Amino acid sequence: KAGVTQTPRYLIKTRGQQVTLSCSPISGHRSVSWYQQTPGQGLQFLFEYFSETQRNKGNFPGRFSGRQFSNSRSEMNVSTLELGDSALYLCASSLVGPTNTEAFFGQGTRLTVV
Amino acid sequence: AQTVTQSQPEMSVQEAETVTLSCTYDTSESDYYLFWYKQPPSRQMILVIRQEAYKQQNATENRFSVNFQKAAKSFSLKISDSQLGDAAMYFCAYRSSNNAGNMLTFGGGTRLMVKP
Repeated sequence: KAGVTQTPRYLIKTRGQQVTLSCSPISGHRSVSWYQQTPGQGLQFLFEYFSETQRNKGNFPGRFSGRQFSNSRSEMNVSTLELGDSALYLCASSLVGPTNTEAFFGQGTRLTVV
Repeated sequence: AQTVTQSQPEMSVQEAETVTLSCTYDTSESDYYLFWYKQPPSRQMILVIRQEAYKQQNATENRFSVNFQKAAKSFSLKISDSQLGDAAMYFCAYRSSNNAGNMLTFGGGTRLMVKP
C-alpha cells in the first residue's frame, strides 16, 4: 500500500512569489491535514480537508490556503512568500471514523524562501 | 486551547538501556487521544504509540510503553533496550475526540541520542 506522497520534496522560491505544494493521501483516506515545521515554532497545524471541504483551520494568515479534490488529493498554496515561510511542510492523511485516529505522514516538502 | 509541553529538548541513552521521555499537556476535555511520533533524519513522522484517554491501561508496543497519568495530565514514553535506530526527534501529540477532525497539537519535541 503506497504511503502519503508529497511533491515536490524540495523547493526554492523568491520573496513575493507564490508556491503550490501537493499531497496524495493513502488510498481510501479522505482526511488530509497540513502542518508547518520550523525550528523556532515547531510543528503547527495549518488546516484540514475532508470531502473537499476545509474542516479545521489553524492560526495562519490568509496567504496560506488549500483545497482538496474529489480524489482526496490536496494542494496547499502560499502567496506573497516571506522569508519566514521557509519551513518543512508536512501532510498527513487519515481514515475517518470513531476509532480511526492515526495520522500517516508524508516525507514533507522543504521550502526555502530567499 | 490545548497545549502540549515536552520539557526535555535533548536526551541521551546508552545502547541497550532504558530511557523515559516526558510530556505534559493541558486540556479541559475529558476524552481525547495522545500520541508519540518519531521523526528520524528522513523527516517522515512515524507513529510510535497511541493512548485513548478513556482507557486506564497504559499502551505498549514492543519496546515502547507509556505511563499515562490522566489526573496529572502526564504522558511519558519509555523506550526499553534502546537501539541505535531509535535515535530521532520524538514528538508528543494531542488530538481531541470532540473535534470532528484530525487536528494534532504537538509538543516541541525531544531529540534522543543513542550512544553505542
